[in-house]
Amino acid sequence: GNSVTQMEGPVTLSEEAFLTINCTYTATGYPSLFWYVQYPGEGLQLLLKATKADDKGSNKGFEATYRKETTSFHLEKGSVQVSDSAVYFCALDENTSGTYKYIFGTGTRLKVLA
Amino acid sequence: NAGVMQNPRHLVRRRGQEARLRCSPMKGHSHVYWYRQLPEEGLKFMVYLQKENIIDESGMPKERFSAEFPKEGPSILRIQQVVRGDSAAYFCASSPPKRSYGANVLTFGAGSRLTVL
Repeated sequence: GNSVTQMEGPVTLSEEAFLTINCTYTATGYPSLFWYVQYPGEGLQLLLKATKADDKGSNKGFEATYRKETTSFHLEKGSVQVSDSAVYFCALDENTSGTYKYIFGTGTRLKVLA
Repeated sequence: NAGVMQNPRHLVRRRGQEARLRCSPMKGHSHVYWYRQLPEEGLKFMVYLQKENIIDESGMPKERFSAEFPKEGPSILRIQQVVRGDSAAYFCASSPPKRSYGANVLTFGAGSRLTVL
């Protein structure tokens, strides 16, 4: 079946460091891909998305490119801030008719130190 | 322009009691989804509902769990005779009707955290 695999955390970085969180997927068809962020004590917020191969999603300095050849959707940010500390989830929508049965990765906790 | 509203935010129950979690979808959204997040894990799909209709409950445990989305009022996730393993965060999400193309984005609530003593 379809699945999403994320790098395990926690990831600890100093402020202004470069961030990469790896995400790979297995899916039949043409899924849409998402990154969601969960701040402490809160729900999930959509960070960015991409709907087809080679699309680049971007928001708040974060970027991810939909790579069909490597089945990846790695999250990157050039310079992290303390306020980026959160749990990041990669997810896919199978795009089959009828439901939004997203499949989530296990999440990667990011801690940014001042 | 309220988002997805869930309550209670925190719920404590003793083993054997019932838990009821409520979710009001975003204005204009007619579809509701429930997900469960166990400690240190990702979210797992439980059930998808439209008004008065369960569309997909393939992620629901076979016993003790039920969900509804009545014509009036919020969607309710009900857990009977709770056990310690039910302790988790339960997230509700909503969406407009699914489009025929393009990314389909769910809007999530802040979650209800159930603790079973």
